[in-house]
Amino acid sequence: DIVLTQSPLSLPVTPGEPASISCRSSQSLLDTNGYNYFNWYLQKPGQSPQLLIYWGSNRASGVSDRFSGSGSGTDFTLKISRVETEDVGVYYCMQALQTPITFGQGTRLDIK
Amino acid sequence: QVQLEQWGAGLLKPSETLSLTCAVYGGSFSDYYWSWIRQPAGKGLEWIGEINHSGSTKYNPSLKSRVTVSVDTSKNRFSLKLSSVTAADTAVYYCARRSNPIDYWGQGTLVTVSS
Repeated sequence: DIVLTQSPLSLPVTPGEPASISCRSSQSLLDTNGYNYFNWYLQKPGQSPQLLIYWGSNRASGVSDRFSGSGSGTDFTLKISRVETEDVGVYYCMQALQTPITFGQGTRLDIK
Repeated sequence: QVQLEQWGAGLLKPSETLSLTCAVYGGSFSDYYWSWIRQPAGKGLEWIGEINHSGSTKYNPSLKSRVTVSVDTSKNRFSLKLSSVTAADTAVYYCARRSNPIDYWGQGTLVTVSS
């Protein structure tokens, strides 16, 4: 199985400040077609996860441009340019290169 | 607008079989894999398995011996069965649509296993 390791696991942030989450994969998620089969999700309290970033760096429809994804192969980063209170929740990375599909452990973002 | 609506029994006894169904409204049914994912309380996400419109399945090896995912293309529905449940199977179960990525999720169903 592909193992995804997120850091940090807890992220207290002051509103208006930037935030960054890292996800490292145990093997490359870059397919021969040139796409990274890597995605970011936010699970707000009491809700289903929602897609933020797909193919490693593409923002999903309706997602604020405060969110950006970068990286390729085994190392990926999610950045929030200016954290807002509505960004509170648990952020997960996910790989879909091969089954079983796997997720990172999650990073809990809280407001200071 | 794509919507996934799921339902099924929420309280089971040990050794019983979990059974959930997910109906898909909107969008193409044939262009995607249809997945099941679970999340124990306060913990992370675990992919259970998935199926496409032609019935081709993929399962998580950790659950494969107990899992069956099936599809009813006439109703745009797919289902999950998990046999011989124990307390360790207590979780919120989600259905979801996947190509890459998983882009639509059901509302989640809490399944509790308790004697």
